[in-house]
Amino acid sequence: GENVEQHPSTLSVQEGDSAVIKCTYSDSASNYFPWYKQELGKRPQLIIDIRSNVGEKKDQRIAVTLNKTAKHFSLHITETQPEDSAVYFCAAEVTGGGNKLTFGTGTQLKVEL
Amino acid sequence: NAGVTQTPKFQVLKTGQSMTLQCAQDMNHNSMYWYRQDPGMGLRLIYYSASEGTTDKGEVPNGYNVSRLNKREFSLRLESAAPSQTSVYFCASSHLLGRAISEQYFGPGTRLTVT
Repeated sequence: GENVEQHPSTLSVQEGDSAVIKCTYSDSASNYFPWYKQELGKRPQLIIDIRSNVGEKKDQRIAVTLNKTAKHFSLHITETQPEDSAVYFCAAEVTGGGNKLTFGTGTQLKVEL
Repeated sequence: NAGVTQTPKFQVLKTGQSMTLQCAQDMNHNSMYWYRQDPGMGLRLIYYSASEGTTDKGEVPNGYNVSRLNKREFSLRLESAAPSQTSVYFCASSHLLGRAISEQYFGPGTRLTVT
């Protein structure tokens, strides 16, 4: 089955700096890679996703890059703000039916003033 | 639209007790999921239902059962709760676009403690 590894587990940046979170996956047939943000005590919510037919996708201050050859994808947050502080999860499609995802173990991002 | 709703929000059980977590979605999604979230371990899939009338095991199904009652509702049952089942449980739903996987929408979660 799909295995997703996520690094780092914690990340502290100064407000205004950039943050990068990286994930690797094992199933070369996976074609869908979403990123979820979870604020303390809240539900995970999708912030951006990418499919394998593109290498990069941007939405304002966030971007995701995908390298299918190396089987890794990354989340980039520019000009970080205190409200970006949260846990971020990457995920990858589990192929073989069922519309399933395998999640990484999460990155706790702290944006310091 | 309420999206995905879950009941209860909090629950404390004694070892050996049983309970059912309820989940409902009003987005006409065909797929529904149950996850558990433990510190440092991300979201792990317990059971899922790709479409109404079908259910399948996920990564950590032991000690749980599910029922897809209809297209809207998907319940998770703990027959004999154990302390290892102390966790936050999330229900989610998504719409399968042909064969293309799509966004999963999560409920607010149920915080379960087993003593």
